[in-house]
Amino acid sequence: DQQVKQNSPSLSVQEGRISILNCDYTNSMFDYFLWYKKYPAEGPTFLISISSIKDKNEDGRFTVFLNKSAKHLSLHIVPSQPGDSAVYFCAASVGYSGGSNYKLTFGKGTLLTVNP
Amino acid sequence: DTGVSQDPRHKITKRGQNVTFRCDPISEHNRLYWYRQTLGQGPEFLTYFQNEAQLEKSRLLSDRFSAERPKGSFSTLEIQRTEQGDSAMYLCASKGSPDVLFFGPGTRLTVL
Repeated sequence: DQQVKQNSPSLSVQEGRISILNCDYTNSMFDYFLWYKKYPAEGPTFLISISSIKDKNEDGRFTVFLNKSAKHLSLHIVPSQPGDSAVYFCAASVGYSGGSNYKLTFGKGTLLTVNP
Repeated sequence: DTGVSQDPRHKITKRGQNVTFRCDPISEHNRLYWYRQTLGQGPEFLTYFQNEAQLEKSRLLSDRFSAERPKGSFSTLEIQRTEQGDSAMYLCASKGSPDVLFFGPGTRLTVL
């Protein structure tokens, strides 16, 4: 039973355009969400996070949107750059507000390719 | 470099052999996590430590797997009697602020 789903295995965009990566979750107990980026032969690198008390969080070119009623979040990258080409993982955890083990449940990832 | 480090980066072994991996977390982080990633999948939780105490183990962690963090600093993950299905990337992470896991580069295990 996959609790975090990234239904698009891959996405290709042109440099300078917007990249939108999507993630759905089924566990209504999840209240903290993160996006990680992963290059081949490296560990995942933290990008941006959002707690369930918010519906948007921005950090430079990266914005994460959370729709709790739809159990859906998305990562927007504007403008996209060739260096953004990587696998992007959505992750979620339970109990952000305290007493959490911060155990993350990951999706399968989406390979983003940004073409020059 | 003050990030999470893992050793070795690559390990090739024959089925039935034992292997041990090491993880050195970021020094001020008291929580340490082990994950496993197989091809086409996201990282899957294996176990985690709060200081030297192992607080949770996934059902993925069979009896052949053991993890330790004896002094609350570095951690080791041992796999006994390796099987081909153990081939994967083993990732270590430590928890920082504001509730983000920082991952090491991983150890890629290949069991022949």
